Amino acid sequence: DAGVIQSPRHEVTEMGQEVTLRCKPISGHDYLFWYRQTMMRGLELLIYFNNNVPIDDSGMPEDRFSAKMPNASFSTLKIQPSEPRDSAVYFCASSLKVGGEQYFGPGTRLTVT
Amino acid sequence: QQPVQSPQAVILREGEDAVINCSSSKALYSVHWYRQKHGEAPVFLMILLKGGEQKGHDKISASFNEKKQQSSLYLTASQLSYSGTYFCGTLPGAGSYQLTFGKGTKLSVIP
Repeated sequence: DAGVIQSPRHEVTEMGQEVTLRCKPISGHDYLFWYRQTMMRGLELLIYFNNNVPIDDSGMPEDRFSAKMPNASFSTLKIQPSEPRDSAVYFCASSLKVGGEQYFGPGTRLTVT
Repeated sequence: QQPVQSPQAVILREGEDAVINCSSSKALYSVHWYRQKHGEAPVFLMILLKGGEQKGHDKISASFNEKKQQSSLYLTASQLSYSGTYFCGTLPGAGSYQLTFGKGTKLSVIP
């Protein structure tokens, strides 16, 4: 398997623009997680899905953030409008079973100027 | 609640041993350990379950003291390839999905 795939790998945008991050989980994995990593806050869970259904989005910072999983092989994380404080590395991870090991994608480094 | 890791950073010479600790104020069901190299994604190392035995592979092992809500990661005879940041992630219950990660311990192994 190719592992978890994320795109783009790097994104530079101006404040106020919409940003869409994409993720393809490992085939057969029923759980998908979106994380944000910064030096100050470390690795934070934003939202996770089970069988394409959002289970807990309490980690989403504010209404500017939204996530969807229209099918088992694709998920998006959208920020609209983006702000400089959203600059971070965003990881997508998938897991085969509840509480099991998570496989992380390579991440998207987002810079908002 | 975010687990607390110690130390925050450690520098080792090749062949030396290290211990990284992870403590939680909450009761835990399992502890997960990941390693992240600079500019890369976290990579899974091992899971320790409540009531389970100490785990390990190669020269990296870990223990879980569920009474103290603590886990320790042991790296013996360290190699250059062990360098990276080690994160523990905790789950409070058997049906929990949401891993809460510590802030990490940066390990540097030098020749």
